[in-house]
Amino acid sequence: DVKVTQSSRYLVKRTGEKVFLECVQDMDHENMFWYRQDPGLGLRLIYFSYDVKMKEKGDIPEGYSVSREKKERFSLILESASTNQTSMYLCASSFGQGANAKNIQYFGAGTRLSVL
Amino acid sequence: AQSVTQLDSHVSVSEGTPVLLRCNYSSSYSPSLFWYVQHPNKGLQLLLKYTSAATLVKGINGFEAEFKKSETSFHLTKPSAHMSDAAEYFCVVSGRVSSNTGKLIFGQGTTLQVKP
Repeated sequence: DVKVTQSSRYLVKRTGEKVFLECVQDMDHENMFWYRQDPGLGLRLIYFSYDVKMKEKGDIPEGYSVSREKKERFSLILESASTNQTSMYLCASSFGQGANAKNIQYFGAGTRLSVL
Repeated sequence: AQSVTQLDSHVSVSEGTPVLLRCNYSSSYSPSLFWYVQHPNKGLQLLLKYTSAATLVKGINGFEAEFKKSETSFHLTKPSAHMSDAAEYFCVVSGRVSSNTGKLIFGQGTTLQVKP
């Protein structure tokens, strides 16, 4: 079974802090994704990566950055946390690129972040 | 551009009665369509996937969905609801944000309540 592990289930941070959310997958997937989930809005894509050291902006990248130094690990960084970044953050991974992209994404359990 | 609309934000059924969760999509080409389920405090799990093969797709836990191109719909059904089906359900359409990676576009979610 594919396993996507997010390092924290719950985090509480203060406004202005730098926050790191970590995600690790164990299936050698090329693609990794960060979403935020808010009630009534579904999941919105923040950033994704299709290779080591590669990243692309999703729909709502403002206020976030990412890092992918190793294939299995994808980090989401909040440079200066704000209260409007209080949300559930979900990491996902998928296999393949181009014509071989399988599109099925496998999700971690999520990190619920509260910024006070 | 791709989009997906879940027509009900909340559905309530009695245990043992049928379930219908409605989803309409918009896509400029033949899409891949998915249903994911999220149980409380858990990550998203794939229920089923449509990829232009059979229009009636069977998934896990007795769920199925029918792709109707003429109606641009992909409704999720189950003949008999179980208490364990209570969860949030997401209808998802695939798109391509780059030449490399499939991007998933999520509906707003439907919360399914199952009453004893």
